[in-house]
Amino acid sequence: AQKVTQAQTEISVVEKEDVTLDCVYETRDTTYYLFWYKQPPSGELVFLIRRNSFDEQNEISGRYSWNFQKSTSSFNFTITASQVVDSAVYFCALRDNYGQNFVFGPGTRLSVLP
Amino acid sequence: NAGVTQTPKFRVLKTGQSMTLLCAQDMNHEYMYWYRQDPGMGLRLIHYSVGEGTTAKGEVPDGYNVSRLKKQNFLLGLESAAPSQTSVYFCASLQGGTLYNEQFFGPGTRLTVL
Repeated sequence: AQKVTQAQTEISVVEKEDVTLDCVYETRDTTYYLFWYKQPPSGELVFLIRRNSFDEQNEISGRYSWNFQKSTSSFNFTITASQVVDSAVYFCALRDNYGQNFVFGPGTRLSVLP
Repeated sequence: NAGVTQTPKFRVLKTGQSMTLLCAQDMNHEYMYWYRQDPGMGLRLIHYSVGEGTTAKGEVPDGYNVSRLKKQNFLLGLESAAPSQTSVYFCASLQGGTLYNEQFFGPGTRLTVL
């Protein structure tokens, strides 16, 4: 069975601090896909990034970066110099090789205080 | 393009009442999904569809039925609502053809069952 764990339920940081959100996944598939979504207080789900299991390159997009490590089954998300607008719930998700199902983690609520 | 839309945005039901949630997408996506979001549990898959006329059960299908008579619409029905079905419901769609695509989500429907 597939599973996604986000052990950090809630994190609070002060603006301009760096923060890392952890995501650990379980799957028996050798091919799979990982995603991060953001859910701001307004409630919609916003896609942030995707990664397939064959691509372990880290990615940076502005203040956001992602660290994918197959050896530890982790796909962690770092926000550098956090801002109040980063306050949201962040979900990590895993997609199986058949493409039909996505499994979401429970989410991490990030609060960035001014 | 409107993307993924959900009707209604809010609804209050009494126990035992029935209702249908409508999801519509204008992106010609093959796959459609219904999730429910409860505090601390992330998104859990209720039912999904891989094409017009097909549906399948997800992780938490009990108490719900779905239909996909048209490619662009995916309906979620509650025949006899229960307080345990109080939740936020999200619809998502996904383009087929490659496993690397992300889901597009609707804005959500907040349902309260009294």
